[in-house]
Amino acid sequence: QQQVKQSPQSLIVQKGGISIINCAYENTAFDYFPWYQQFPGKGPALLIAIRPDVSEKKEGRFTISFNKSAKQFSLHIMDSQPGDSATYFCAASMTAGGFKTIFGAGTRLFVKA
Amino acid sequence: ETGVTQTPRHLVMGMTNKKSLKCEQHLGHNAMYWYKQSAKKPLELMFVYSLEERVENNSVPSRFSPECPNSSHLFLHLHTLQPEDSALYLCASSQDFGASYGYTFGSGTRLTVV
Repeated sequence: QQQVKQSPQSLIVQKGGISIINCAYENTAFDYFPWYQQFPGKGPALLIAIRPDVSEKKEGRFTISFNKSAKQFSLHIMDSQPGDSATYFCAASMTAGGFKTIFGAGTRLFVKA
Repeated sequence: ETGVTQTPRHLVMGMTNKKSLKCEQHLGHNAMYWYKQSAKKPLELMFVYSLEERVENNSVPSRFSPECPNSSHLFLHLHTLQPEDSALYLCASSQDFGASYGYTFGSGTRLTVV
């Protein structure tokens, strides 16, 4: 009930390609779904987030697609660049009625030049 | 800088040592957290403070002892650690206790226990 399953564990994409990372959750009480980007030697940084009242959110080259009925959400990175090479974490949060945030295990993305 | 500052960046300590990790935020956030990040594992929540009050202790061994003297500072006191405690320790803050706008993380302290 409390897991967030993230796939793939690692991903290699050519420059200019689309990177897709998927996450699935179980608890329907989650109401906030952020993605974090982490570079080596740095802490995770909030990249983009979505709430379940919308099915898609886009910020620049980054898009979250959200499927409430399937309890899945994904991060799409369009026109992937070598500078996007990092580890990406999805998370699911229950923002009301007590604290609960569960993170996925992370996806290491490498974009080949 | 991300707004959350952690010191030291690296720490090597023996199993009998006592050391402390420090975290500082000047974002006006009301909640602060300690997370443990180990290779190929999800981030593990250790402690949560909301308005300087500890609201969650996630079954963390007593050799880890948190302290939150005010809303801007958070410490993690370490004593008699084990080699398996070697990891990246991340401090984070959020506007509210529910993290409804996500976290701001520090860069972490890389801890090695020898």
